[in-house]
Amino acid sequence: DTEVTQTPKHLVMGMTNKKSLKCEQHMGHRAMYWYKQKAKKPPELMFVYSYEKLSINESVPSRFSPECPNSSLLNLHLHALQPEDSALYLCASSRGGLSSPLHFGNGTRLTVT
Amino acid sequence: QKEVEQDPGPLSVPEGAIVSLNCTYSNSAFQYFMWYRQYSRKGPELLMYTYSSGNKEDGRFTAQVDKSSKYISLFIRDSQPSDSATYLCAMSEGEYNTNAGKSTFGDGTTLTVKP
Repeated sequence: DTEVTQTPKHLVMGMTNKKSLKCEQHMGHRAMYWYKQKAKKPPELMFVYSYEKLSINESVPSRFSPECPNSSLLNLHLHALQPEDSALYLCASSRGGLSSPLHFGNGTRLTVT
Repeated sequence: QKEVEQDPGPLSVPEGAIVSLNCTYSNSAFQYFMWYRQYSRKGPELLMYTYSSGNKEDGRFTAQVDKSSKYISLFIRDSQPSDSATYLCAMSEGEYNTNAGKSTFGDGTTLTVKP
């Protein structure tokens, strides 16, 4: 088990649906991240929050909307996704600053139909 | 040319073998060097990290960083079938650099350890 918990583990959604991915960590880490990983590829950075403020948006389409309600929680709101958005969505946190090593959750496997 | 190049594999070794996994990089601003292990259908797990140069040992695992050659390695001694996974190297710039927060990953090497 990891100390970064992601829900749901699996999600199937249609292109007109709205859904949210959730991430929680109780390690006191102050930076939290969303990554997207396609099969047999490394994780790709999407968003970074530092002290609950959005620090980095890697030019992600607006159909992905992040939210950081507090220092332990991170959400990713999904709307009007495309089939090519199907992937493993990983949440991570880091203890120190933004360059510290990452602690990943086990991800949400998303399928867009 | 990619900023981080990882030996592609796949790699298949017998149980008990010594495994060497390697990455080269071109960005001299990298200061943090990480190795992650990813099992199928799981998230990456931080195995080891090194700040700047040098060696670090943890049980059967040894991480080496040679900044002069821009080369990092992970050695696994007495490899076990449970070590079968994809190994990702990753690097990041210093805390106050423009690219802080953006880890650069290698493409991963898939290792199979056969009993």
